[in-house]
Amino acid sequence: ETGVTQTPRHLVMGMTNKKSLKCEQHLGHNAMYWYKQSAKKPLELMFVYSLEERVENNSVPSRFSPECPNSSHLFLHLHTLQPEDSALYLCASSPVAGGGNEQFFGPGTRLTVL
Amino acid sequence: AQSVAQPEDQVNVAEGNPLTVKCTYSVSGNPYLFWYVQYPNRGLQFLLKYITGDNLVKGSYGFEAEFNKSQTSFHLKKPSALVSDSALYFCAVRVPGSSNTGKLIFGQGTTLQVKP
Repeated sequence: ETGVTQTPRHLVMGMTNKKSLKCEQHLGHNAMYWYKQSAKKPLELMFVYSLEERVENNSVPSRFSPECPNSSHLFLHLHTLQPEDSALYLCASSPVAGGGNEQFFGPGTRLTVL
Repeated sequence: AQSVAQPEDQVNVAEGNPLTVKCTYSVSGNPYLFWYVQYPNRGLQFLLKYITGDNLVKGSYGFEAEFNKSQTSFHLKKPSALVSDSALYFCAVRVPGSSNTGKLIFGQGTTLQVKP
């Protein structure tokens, strides 16, 4: 898991707060992903970046705002979240987006919205 | 609609016995299929994948999976389970036509419990 790191590992925030999740990959990959993992539900893809360009926005509410300043870093900016947004947020990377490449996941950020 | 199903929420096996975790899919076209494992408080780890070729693929930690096109299945198997295999297992399929996004559809996960 040292290939993809995420900070913080745990985050508690109120509905009016603004916070950011950070992901960094040390694998030289060109594609990065954000997923949401809620209890009893399949992983939900949120965003995909390829070469720092967003290529997928899976109908995610605007209170989630991604940023990819370079191919090694990915952020998820959070504002005015709802309690139902509480979940484990996973970052992943792959050599390129698509093809038969597997994705490498970070350990996740456990988010609790009060 | 494209989907992946893991019909069992939990699978229980005794250590040393063979294990099977089931996965079926419903997508148009030729899918790319993946298995991932998640240990508590960790991210997902890649186990194996089927892209093309031999229907039986071998992966990490002694796991293997068989692609069956007629049954649209990709069941995960291991001949002899270990207690350390206890974890949450996810099957995933890459959506055909998503060549520029790598979009994966995941099953809901199956908890594998291996008892000594």
